[in-house]
Amino acid sequence: NAGVTQTPKFQVLKTGQSMTLQCAQDMNHEYMSWYRQDPGMGLRLIHYSVGAGITDQGEVPNGYNVSRSTTEDFPLRLLSAAPSQTSVYFCASRESGRGYNEQFFGPGTRLTVL
Amino acid sequence: QLLEQSPQFLSIQEGENLTVYCNSSSVFSSLQWYRQEPGEGPVLLIALYKAGELTSNGRLTAQFGITRKDSFLNISASIPSDVGIYFCAGQRANNNDMRFGAGTRLTVKP
Repeated sequence: NAGVTQTPKFQVLKTGQSMTLQCAQDMNHEYMSWYRQDPGMGLRLIHYSVGAGITDQGEVPNGYNVSRSTTEDFPLRLLSAAPSQTSVYFCASRESGRGYNEQFFGPGTRLTVL
Repeated sequence: QLLEQSPQFLSIQEGENLTVYCNSSSVFSSLQWYRQEPGEGPVLLIALYKAGELTSNGRLTAQFGITRKDSFLNISASIPSDVGIYFCAGQRANNNDMRFGAGTRLTVKP
């Protein structure tokens, strides 16, 4: 199993550009989520999904869109990039439910917005 | 921040023990501890889901508070490869999302 994969690994954008960060998992996990990591602030939840066709907002959703058309894929779209969106983005997946469910993370995408 | 972690930075000598704390005003159905190495995503160390639960994983020990609002992670006999950022993460009882603390950055001097 590849686990959780993310592309690209690095990206530089200009202010106002749009792009999509890709995330895929091959563990048949229903729950997928996107976090951003900034120095001193830990990981902050952007959006999450509990299954295909179902998405919800996390702590910091503004400026980002998501969709979940398949169980495997959960892309994150930046509509109009801003310097404040410079960050490291992590995708994660786990089995759904409220019990003990280990969350598996991808390797991250390092995004710089100029 | 929903989960408050302390300390933010920790620098110790190899062989020493350390404890990281995680507190919140919210109640969690489960509380997990993760470690992140440079350039990688976090990896699960210990998961807790019963109030008062004390769990060990090698040199790591963690406990879930009786009120389900707090936890600690203890690492004994630290070694240089313990370096990294340690996060607590919690899933609230009536919510599907998982929230993270700000992290504790650990340095171990040989």
